[in-house]
Amino acid sequence: GENVEQHPSTLSVQEGDSAVIKCTYSDSASNYFPWYKQELGKRPQLIIDIRSNVGEKKDQRIAVTLNKTAKHFSLHITETQPEDSAVYFCAATYSGNTPLVFGKGTRLSVIA
Amino acid sequence: SAVISQKPSRDICQRGTSLTIQCQVDSQVTMMFWYRQQPGQSLTLIATANQGSEATYESGFVIDKFPISRPNLTFSTLTVSNMSPEDSSIYLCSVPGASSGNTIYFGEGSWLTVV
Repeated sequence: GENVEQHPSTLSVQEGDSAVIKCTYSDSASNYFPWYKQELGKRPQLIIDIRSNVGEKKDQRIAVTLNKTAKHFSLHITETQPEDSAVYFCAATYSGNTPLVFGKGTRLSVIA
Repeated sequence: SAVISQKPSRDICQRGTSLTIQCQVDSQVTMMFWYRQQPGQSLTLIATANQGSEATYESGFVIDKFPISRPNLTFSTLTVSNMSPEDSSIYLCSVPGASSGNTIYFGEGSWLTVV
């Protein structure tokens, strides 16, 4: 089955700097890669996703890149702000009818 | 997008008791997924619930501990049986979006604390 590795487990950046979180997956059949943000006491919230027919996707300060050959995808947050502090999870799945497999999470701290 | 109502949202449970979590979706879905998130951990799949058949459990999860019902295409329940403090977790139901490609939606979660 699918296995998703996520690095780093913790990340501290200065406000205004960029943050990058990387994930690798094992199943070449996986074709959907969402990223979730989880704030303390709340459920994970989808912040961006990418499908395997696309190499990069941007949404304001957030971008995700996908390298299918290497089987890795990354989350990029630019101009970080204190409200970006949270735990971020990457995930992968083959289709909407198969469950997501999650990485172990990255705790991002943005220092003002 | 799918609207998922999950309850209870929070509960404090006594050791040895059982609690049933309900998940109601505003549209018909073939698959429903139940996840557990232990404190400080990632989300782990408990089982996949299909309407009209037995749930499929992941390694480490058994039906006696986590019985699941799926009586129709919009509803499912997960019971956490004979609870111990190790069962203190967030339990989340999840469904695929009907017309959103592979997008998967989560309920708001049920925060269980076992004392």
